[in-house]
Amino acid sequence: NAGVTQTPKFQVLKTGQSMTLQCAQDMNHNSMYWYRQDPGMGLRLIYYSASEGTTDKGEVPNGYNVSRLNKREFSLRLESAAPSQTSVYFCASSEGPDPTQYFGPGTRLLVL
Amino acid sequence: RKEVEQDPGPFNVPEGATVAFNCTYSNSASQSFFWYRQDCRKEPKLLMSVYSSGNEDGRFTAQLNRASQYISLLIRDSKLSDSATYLCVVNMGGSARQLTFGSGTQLTVLP
Repeated sequence: NAGVTQTPKFQVLKTGQSMTLQCAQDMNHNSMYWYRQDPGMGLRLIYYSASEGTTDKGEVPNGYNVSRLNKREFSLRLESAAPSQTSVYFCASSEGPDPTQYFGPGTRLLVL
Repeated sequence: RKEVEQDPGPFNVPEGATVAFNCTYSNSASQSFFWYRQDCRKEPKLLMSVYSSGNEDGRFTAQLNRASQYISLLIRDSKLSDSATYLCVVNMGGSARQLTFGSGTQLTVLP
């Protein structure tokens, strides 16, 4: 089992460019999450999907969109990247009443 | 005020030392509590859940005080491999079982 996988690992964008971060899990989990992690601020929830076909905003959704493509995949899109979106992005998944979340290896994004 | 607050450290301790981390949370309705470990430039991984009665996993002991809204993690006989950032994590409930993360406490165990 690969667990949670994310692509790409690293990305450099110019302001205004768009990109999609991909996430997939092979644990048959219903819930999936996107976080960003910035120095001194901990992980902040961007969007989550409680189950296939549903998505909801988290703490910091502005500037992002998501798609829950199927049970396995949950993508995060930046339509017009800004320097403030420079961060490390983590995808996670969880299942059932157990709130334990399993994280992917992260995507390091630099917006110039 | 942050919902989950931790002393950021850094804590630099010699091998074999005992070290304790503390965490406070603001929401008294919080339902479950965890410590995650994050190695440098890696993803967070669950270290242990925290139960009201306190729980132990080898050299690690976690305690919860609901009345004071306080969580602790004690590491005994520190190893070099314990060097990492320790994240205090709280599940404040809700349909998606959302987790709220502290900003982490950095530990370096020195030889």
